[in-house]
Amino acid sequence: KQEVTQIPAALSVPEGENLVLNCSFTDSAIYNLQWFRQDPGKGLTSLLLIQSSQREQTSGRLNASLDKSSGRSTLYIAASQPGDSATYLCAVPGGTSYGKLTFGQGTILTVHP
Amino acid sequence: DAGVTQSPTHLIKTRGQQVTLRCSPISGHKSVSWYQQVLGQGPQFIFQYYEKEERGRGNFPDRFSARQFPNYSSELNVNALLLGDSALYLCASSFSGDTYNEQFFGPGTRLTVL
Repeated sequence: KQEVTQIPAALSVPEGENLVLNCSFTDSAIYNLQWFRQDPGKGLTSLLLIQSSQREQTSGRLNASLDKSSGRSTLYIAASQPGDSATYLCAVPGGTSYGKLTFGQGTILTVHP
Repeated sequence: DAGVTQSPTHLIKTRGQQVTLRCSPISGHKSVSWYQQVLGQGPQFIFQYYEKEERGRGNFPDRFSARQFPNYSSELNVNALLLGDSALYLCASSFSGDTYNEQFFGPGTRLTVL
């Protein structure tokens, strides 16, 4: 059974800092890994999708890496801004149900001015 | 282009009632998945539908059911509501529902059961 863990559970940083969010998964036989952002009470916004053949994916100030062999992914946010405050979730497909995404519990990020 | 849409935005029901939630996928997407997210946790998979057929089911009781229509929109039904069904219900669409497809989520429906 695939299990996804995110560390830390919460993070508070001053504006301008570079930061790293961690995601680990127990079953390395994944096709891809997806990072999402969720604002309070809202839906999920897809940030980055890394295919299993890739090691990194970049979008603006965001960079995600994937190491299948170790079962880890990191999301790097450069020059953090107050608008980055949100919950960040990672998810992997697979398991016993077709097309199912298994999510971590998320990292709550607060960037204060 | 419109993203995934869900209706209603909020619902308040009492225990024992039934509820129907609706989802319209991104144009051209043929797969819809439903997730339940309780406060403080990541979303939990409920169902996936592709071309009107159920392709996957999570660990939820039979009170939960869903269907997909010829236009690829979908409904999630929950019968005999319990307090524990209070959650944000999320719909996701993807092109084919295969494991390598990116999934795109709607804004969710907030269900409160009193």
